[in-house]
Amino acid sequence: NAGVTQTPKFQVLKTGQSMTLQCAQDMNHNSMYWYRQDPGMGLRLIYYSASEGTTDKGEVPNGYNVSRLNKREFSLRLESAAPSQTSVYFCASSEAQGYTNTEAFFGQGTRLTVV
Amino acid sequence: GNSVTQMEGPVTLSEEAFLTINCTYTATGYPSLFWYVQYPGEGLQLLLKATKADDKGSNKGFEATYRKETTSFHLEKGSVQVSDSAVYFCALYIRGYQKVTFGIGTKLQVIP
Repeated sequence: NAGVTQTPKFQVLKTGQSMTLQCAQDMNHNSMYWYRQDPGMGLRLIYYSASEGTTDKGEVPNGYNVSRLNKREFSLRLESAAPSQTSVYFCASSEAQGYTNTEAFFGQGTRLTVV
Repeated sequence: GNSVTQMEGPVTLSEEAFLTINCTYTATGYPSLFWYVQYPGEGLQLLLKATKADDKGSNKGFEATYRKETTSFHLEKGSVQVSDSAVYFCALYIRGYQKVTFGIGTKLQVIP
């Protein structure tokens, strides 16, 4: 019953460093998402992938890149970290598009601090 | 565009009090509506959902009714417990948009 697994759980970066957040799901879901959560802002969508081989920008994509490596895995990369990217990052997955009652399953989150 | 509006809180209640967290939405089309809960240090998990007008979702003593006429999906519980302390997110999904839109989350604190 792993569901959605994110690594790492915590990370501290210096400004300008790069890193990749990993996400994997074992539910055979087609769609995967990356959100960031900030106080007073709720959850904001960074990027999503509706199916293997496709990715699309969400509300706040600047400074990030993503890769849908296969159906299970969806990674988020920060090429040059900035203090404004300090946040809690969540990966989520859901069933294929076309399902009216789809629900999202979330990972435990990655708490990232950029100093 | 699609959006969800809810109060940020915190909402502070005594144990066994009645809870209402308001949620209203704006959507192009006919959304499915959700309430997610986030316990401290954890990811979000689905609490309940409703897929069409007048549907009532319920789980763990929580209820919410999909009201198309008022574009609302308010969360209620008759008697809260300390263990209900968490952040509650209202959300919507519209077929074809391929993503879920969340409100800002309402923090609930229940004191003994």
